[in-house]
Amino acid sequence: GENVEQHPSTLSVQEGDSAVIKCTYSDSASNYFPWYKQELGKGPQLIIDIRSNVGEKKDQRIAVTLNKTAKHFSLHITETQPEDSAVYFCAASIGGTASKLTFGTGTRLQVTL
Amino acid sequence: EAQVTQNPRYLITVTGKKLTVTCSQNMNHEYMSWYRQDPGLGLRQIYYSMNVEVTDKGDVPEGYKVSRKEKRNFPLILESPSPNQTSLYFCASSRPGLGNIQYFGAGTRLSVL
Repeated sequence: GENVEQHPSTLSVQEGDSAVIKCTYSDSASNYFPWYKQELGKGPQLIIDIRSNVGEKKDQRIAVTLNKTAKHFSLHITETQPEDSAVYFCAASIGGTASKLTFGTGTRLQVTL
Repeated sequence: EAQVTQNPRYLITVTGKKLTVTCSQNMNHEYMSWYRQDPGLGLRQIYYSMNVEVTDKGDVPEGYKVSRKEKRNFPLILESPSPNQTSLYFCASSRPGLGNIQYFGAGTRLSVL
């Protein structure tokens, strides 16, 4: 089955700096890659996603890049703010009727003032 | 408001005492899923359901049961809980197919003594 590795497990940045979280996946058939943000005491919430036919996608301060050849994808957060502090999960999915997601192990991002 | 509602949010029980965690969604989603979240392991899928009366095992199904008698409800049943089932549990729902957003509940923190 699919295996998703995520690094780093913790990341501390100063407010205004950029943060990058990286994930690799094992199954070349995976074609959908969402990123979820989990705030304390809440469930994960989708923040951005990318499909395998696209190399990069951006939404304001958040961007995701995908390298299918190397089987890795990354989340980029620019101009970080304290409210970006949370746990971030990457995931991979093989398309079709099933919506099964395989998640990475999570990155705890701390944005310091 | 689109919601996935889990109950209870917190539960402390003892080994062997059967329990049920309820999950309900109001978005008429066909696909529902249960995950457990453990430190350093991310979210792992326990069971999922593609529609009413259609359920299947995820990655860590041992010790759990589910049922899908109605489209909106997907309860998780622990017939004989053990301490290794102490975890944070999330229910999620989505429409089937590639790229459909999974909406997560707020989580149920279970402690089995």
